[in-house]
Amino acid sequence: GQQVMQIPQYQHVQEGEDFTTYCNSSTTLSNIQWYKQRPGGHPVFLIQLVKSGEVKKQKRLTFQFGEAKKNSSLHITATQTTDVGTYFCAGRRNSGYALNFGKGTSLLVTP
Amino acid sequence: DTAVSQTPKYLVTQMGNDKSIKCEQNLGHDTMYWYKQDSKKFLKIMFSYNNKELIINETVPNRFSPKSPDKAHLNLHINSLELGDSAVYFCASSQVSGTSLHEQFFGPGTRLTVL
Repeated sequence: GQQVMQIPQYQHVQEGEDFTTYCNSSTTLSNIQWYKQRPGGHPVFLIQLVKSGEVKKQKRLTFQFGEAKKNSSLHITATQTTDVGTYFCAGRRNSGYALNFGKGTSLLVTP
Repeated sequence: DTAVSQTPKYLVTQMGNDKSIKCEQNLGHDTMYWYKQDSKKFLKIMFSYNNKELIINETVPNRFSPKSPDKAHLNLHINSLELGDSAVYFCASSQVSGTSLHEQFFGPGTRLTVL
């Protein structure tokens, strides 16, 4: 299946700093989804990107899908302690309806 | 009112035992999944069912057997538990329409510890 690589694995920022996580695939993705998992919690859907070059915003979060549909990024402006958690990107598998998840980026925000 | 529920939330058992985890969704979705999340937080698909039919069966030991009695339920039975089975198991569901992929709703997870 399609492998989705995600970097960095960990990121520690001071509250108010920006944060970006990157997702890369060796093959073209039909779409990409982003999830957030709080410590001790379960993954929660954030957004889905479908179109080449698509940019979507949710308050302080900006999601981008690359022109070639092989990469994506999530940028958080002015992080807050509530942003703590692991952010996963996920691409659709070649067959079936399941997702290939990246290994996630764990974000720690200190006040 | 919980969309996707799993029982039990915690499961501690001895090596060699057999155990089951149950999952139910009340969202009316037609597709359900089991994921395994290891200690490094890597989320890996194990099984996927669409309308009670097995669609994806990853390279999971045959000690793991999913069962879907109806579209709203997907249970996971594990035989002869091993230490390496210790992980958090997440059930998820989604609605599939044609070739479109929709968001997945995850259950709260079952933390399995094998001693």
